[in-house]
Amino acid sequence: GNSVTQMEGPVTLSEEAFLTINCTYTATGYPSLFWYVQYPGEGLQLLLKATKADDKGSNKGFEATYRKETTSFHLEKGSVQVSDSAVYFCALSVLDSNYQLIWGAGTKLIIKP
Amino acid sequence: EAQVTQNPRYLITVTGKKLTVTCSQNMNHEYMSWYRQDPGLGLRQIYYSMNVEVTDKGDVPEGYKVSRKEKRNFPLILESPSPNQTSLYFCASRPGTVSYEQYFGPGTRLTVT
Repeated sequence: GNSVTQMEGPVTLSEEAFLTINCTYTATGYPSLFWYVQYPGEGLQLLLKATKADDKGSNKGFEATYRKETTSFHLEKGSVQVSDSAVYFCALSVLDSNYQLIWGAGTKLIIKP
Repeated sequence: EAQVTQNPRYLITVTGKKLTVTCSQNMNHEYMSWYRQDPGLGLRQIYYSMNVEVTDKGDVPEGYKVSRKEKRNFPLILESPSPNQTSLYFCASRPGTVSYEQYFGPGTRLTVT
């Protein structure tokens, strides 16, 4: 079946530190991959996406590369800010699930000044 | 402003008292869905709708009902709420089945005592 596994949180970093949040997946077919972000008290919003192998999604200084060989889509940022504190969700969609989004459990990121 | 709205944002109720959470989108999206978010479990889809009068069960439909009589509205109905339905609920919409980005409402925090 289709599933997404994210690293457990919370992840606590100091401002300007390098961030990696791991995400791996299993999927039948060729999934599209996403990172969504949920800021405190808000709904989720799309952060970035990649629709085929070796694509790199990027937005707001965050990047993730679709690695088919390792079935991974790790989220990275070179220098985090306090305002990046949020919950980050990795997700996938595939044709055989009628493009329903399959979600990871979410990783809470805490950035300390 | 393009948005998904939900009401109420917060609700405390008692076991067995029927309630409805409303969801409305102003983007003329065909696809709408309801999720619940619980700690450690990520987002789980309750119901979804691909268009007016077309609804289908998600992963956790038990105890919930939905209707889609008009394109913009997708209410979630709990006929007889129970404490295990205490959760954070999100409504989401997207333009069509193969459209990747979902737009989320701000969430409804429901407590059933």
